[in-house]
Amino acid sequence: ETGVTQTPRHLVMGMTNKKSLKCEQHLGHNAMYWYKQSAKKPLELMFVYSLEERVENNSVPSRFSPECPNSSHLFLHLHTLQPEDSALYLCASSLDRELETQYFGPGTRLLVL
Amino acid sequence: GNSVTQMEGPVTLSEEAFLTINCTYTATGYPSLFWYVQYPGEGLQLLLKATKADDKGSNKGFEATYRKETTSFHLEKGSVQVSDSAVYFCALSDIRYSTLTFGKGTMLLVSP
Repeated sequence: ETGVTQTPRHLVMGMTNKKSLKCEQHLGHNAMYWYKQSAKKPLELMFVYSLEERVENNSVPSRFSPECPNSSHLFLHLHTLQPEDSALYLCASSLDRELETQYFGPGTRLLVL
Repeated sequence: GNSVTQMEGPVTLSEEAFLTINCTYTATGYPSLFWYVQYPGEGLQLLLKATKADDKGSNKGFEATYRKETTSFHLEKGSVQVSDSAVYFCALSDIRYSTLTFGKGTMLLVSP
């Protein structure tokens, strides 16, 4: 149990669907992250939130839309995705964003048809 | 920019063999270095870390030493077990960017 949970664990969606990924951390951390993990590629940082404010957006297409309503929850809203967006989406949290150890959730395996 | 290079896998070993997974990095400044492990079907877990040159991180029999002169952070274990089969990621954290930069990961397969 890492203290970071993600739902759903698996998701299949069509290119015209709208879905959301949810992440929740029970560690009292102030920073949360979304990563994309594709086969044979390094983990790609997508978004960083610190104290519910987005502090980094790594040139992610607008079809990915993050939301952080409070320091414990992070969402990734998905719409009109492409097949190449199929990947494992990992959420992480850290006490603060400054050089703190990040704790990861189990990920959501996304398949876009 | 920052980058991390790991040896390509898979690394295939027999139980009780010695493990080395190479990791080298490029960074400005003085990053912290990490090894994360990902077991099948799970997210990443921190395995060990080192925050300054010559520090040695260790956990569960794994060790890695921060070598500034060779910009390396190689992961070692004296005797691997089947349960060590996983993907291992080397990463660095740079205070300027306050984010982690990961290597591509190295899969380790340990057979009985």
